[in-house]
Amino acid sequence: SQKIEQNSEALNIQEGKTATLTCNYTNYSPAYLQWYRQDPGRGPVFLLLIRENEKEKRKERLKVTFDTTLKQSLFHITASQPADSATYLCATTYVYNFNKFYFGSGTKLNVKP
Amino acid sequence: DVKVTQSSRYLVKRTGEKVFLECVQDMDHENMFWYRQDPGLGLRLIYFSYDVKMKEKGDIPEGYSVSREKKERFSLILESASTNQTSMYLCASSLDSFLTSGRKETQYFGPGTRLLVL
Repeated sequence: SQKIEQNSEALNIQEGKTATLTCNYTNYSPAYLQWYRQDPGRGPVFLLLIRENEKEKRKERLKVTFDTTLKQSLFHITASQPADSATYLCATTYVYNFNKFYFGSGTKLNVKP
Repeated sequence: DVKVTQSSRYLVKRTGEKVFLECVQDMDHENMFWYRQDPGLGLRLIYFSYDVKMKEKGDIPEGYSVSREKKERFSLILESASTNQTSMYLCASSLDSFLTSGRKETQYFGPGTRLLVL
C-alpha cells in the first residue's frame, strides 16, 4: 500500500523565518498531493493542492513544490508567524482512485516570537 | 462554506457498549469518510461511502461498521467497543472526482470526536 512519510519531530523556528516541511511518498507517484493544517482538537483544513505535472504552487505566504524524481513534496511558509504554529499533514491521491486519500502523520510546527 | 458536523466532541463509553458516531454534511457531497487519528500513526481510513447505501472498507475496518441512509449523513458504529478503539474520530466529505474532472477533490473535515473506552 502507499506510504506517506513526514518528519515526526517537531520543527521549531523563529518568527519571520521560512519554515520548510517535507513529505515523502513510496511506490506510485500520486496524481496530486495536498497539504492540510490541523490545530489541536480540530479537524484538518485544506491549504494547497499540487498536481503531478506541476512543479510549484503558491498561495500568499505558502509555497508547495513537487518532485516526482525524489518522490517528495516540500511545503514552505515564508515570514512565519506564531499563528502558523500547528500540525501540517500531507495527503496523496492516485489515478486509480481519486476518491481515496492517503495521509501522512503530520509534522508539528512551532513558531516562536 | 462546507460544514461537516459531528454529533459529539467527547464521548466516554464502557467496554462492550455499542457506540454510534454521527456525521452530517451540508454541501451535497457524494463522498463521506471516517478516519481515526492516533499519535504517530496519522489518519487511518476506516470506511468510506461514495453514495447512499454504498460503502467500502478502508484500511482498518475491523470492529467497525457504517451506515449511509441519506446523502448528508454517515454513521460510524462500534458494535462492541474495546479499549483499543480509544481514539480521535474524524469525519470528512468531498465531491465525487468524476463530477469535478479531478480538479477539486479536497476533503472537508468535521471537528472530530474524542472517544474514550474504559
